[in-house]
Amino acid sequence: AQKITQTQPGMFVQEKEAVTLDCTYDTSDPSYGLFWYKQPSSGEMIFLIYQGSYDQQNATEGRYSLNFQKARKSANLVISASQLGDSAMYFCAMREGQNNDMRFGAGTRLTVKP
Amino acid sequence: NAGVMQNPRHLVRRRGQEARLRCSPMKGHSHVYWYRQLPEEGLKFMVYLQKENIIDESGMPKERFSAEFPKEGPSILRIQQVVRGDSAAYFCASSPRTSGGAVNEQFFGPGTRLTVL
Repeated sequence: AQKITQTQPGMFVQEKEAVTLDCTYDTSDPSYGLFWYKQPSSGEMIFLIYQGSYDQQNATEGRYSLNFQKARKSANLVISASQLGDSAMYFCAMREGQNNDMRFGAGTRLTVKP
Repeated sequence: NAGVMQNPRHLVRRRGQEARLRCSPMKGHSHVYWYRQLPEEGLKFMVYLQKENIIDESGMPKERFSAEFPKEGPSILRIQQVVRGDSAAYFCASSPRTSGGAVNEQFFGPGTRLTVL
């Protein structure tokens, strides 16, 4: 069964506008962490933001914020004031409790239009 | 503080040859993870190692693949007798020593892109 689901294969956004990338997850472990990574065309994986399952507040890092809805098991990434350099693949990932592996979604390709 | 380093960045092998991928974790990190990314897909966990120990290899194919993290030197992912289906990007990540219950971020290297001809 899919642990992480990203339902948007591709998204377009106008420069300077905000965009939301969807991510839902599936776990029965009460302790888990949710991560978002950016992968530009150059291929490296860039950590963006982290949300712990026990965190009371939604995580924010500059223009990135995570809309964490625990009851719905969703962890959507919001990018505000999009820039051309934001065009990339975005991956949602989860690490459960003491597990060693991080499970990744299939990714969303974001294209920012000038 | 240098990040996670992987080399080579690109590797071309013919079918049947061996591929060796190297990963040097961030300074102070004693946990190393290897992931494989097929074209247009997310990353898939392969193996988790600490110094001189394989902790979890549940994502590693049973044959031809092996990994090590010696006391001295980088972690090595070794693929013997490569086939075309092994063509992928292989990412290494490292994390610091975990502390009871904490969920630690993994820092990724730039990846090695393996092409099997």
